Amino acid sequence: DQQVKQNSPSLSVQEGRISILNCDYTNSMFDYFLWYKKYPAEGPTFLISISSIKDKNEDGRFTVFLNKSAKHLSLHIVPSQPGDSAVYFCAASFSGNTGKLIFGQGTTLQVKP
Amino acid sequence: GAVVSQHPSRVICKSGTSVKIECRSLDFQATTMFWYRQFPKQSLMLMATSNEGSKATYEQGVEKDKFLINHASLTLSTLTVTSAHPEDSSFYICSARARIGNQPQHFGDGTRLSIL
Repeated sequence: DQQVKQNSPSLSVQEGRISILNCDYTNSMFDYFLWYKKYPAEGPTFLISISSIKDKNEDGRFTVFLNKSAKHLSLHIVPSQPGDSAVYFCAASFSGNTGKLIFGQGTTLQVKP
Repeated sequence: GAVVSQHPSRVICKSGTSVKIECRSLDFQATTMFWYRQFPKQSLMLMATSNEGSKATYEQGVEKDKFLINHASLTLSTLTVTSAHPEDSSFYICSARARIGNQPQHFGDGTRLSIL
């Protein structure tokens, strides 16, 4: 039972353009969502998060959008840079920022120079 | 920023060996640490939640006698894979959440465990 789904295993974008990574979830009780970035042989690095009471959170080049009615969130990276090439995981939590995380399968982003 | 150190980064050992993996929060106190397992091209699956000074909480399907967790201090949690077999080969990652403040979980770099 995959409660958090990232249906696109990979995405390729040209440098300078926008990267949009998508994530869907099934449990409406999730109240906190996070995006992590992972390079090979390293652990995930926290990027950005959003509470279920908001629909948008922005931090520099990264913006996360949450559509609760569609149970969908997305991560926008603009402009994309080659250094952004990595695996991106979305994660959801039931208990604000304190609870365990349920991860999606990840999307591999490749930003071409 | 917050740093979580995980050691060792890679282990190769024979079947039947017990393997201990350490997870340390280097610049913050962590009342809660989490242990995940990742199979190739799959998501991180939570195995257990480790609480300082109390027993770990295991996810459904995870054998607590197989995967022993100890969280003896606010900066250290250990995962011991007892009598490891080839099917236990995987990528194990820990994370820690700061005791104070509204911080997200920070992850270690993982341990690649290979059982021959």
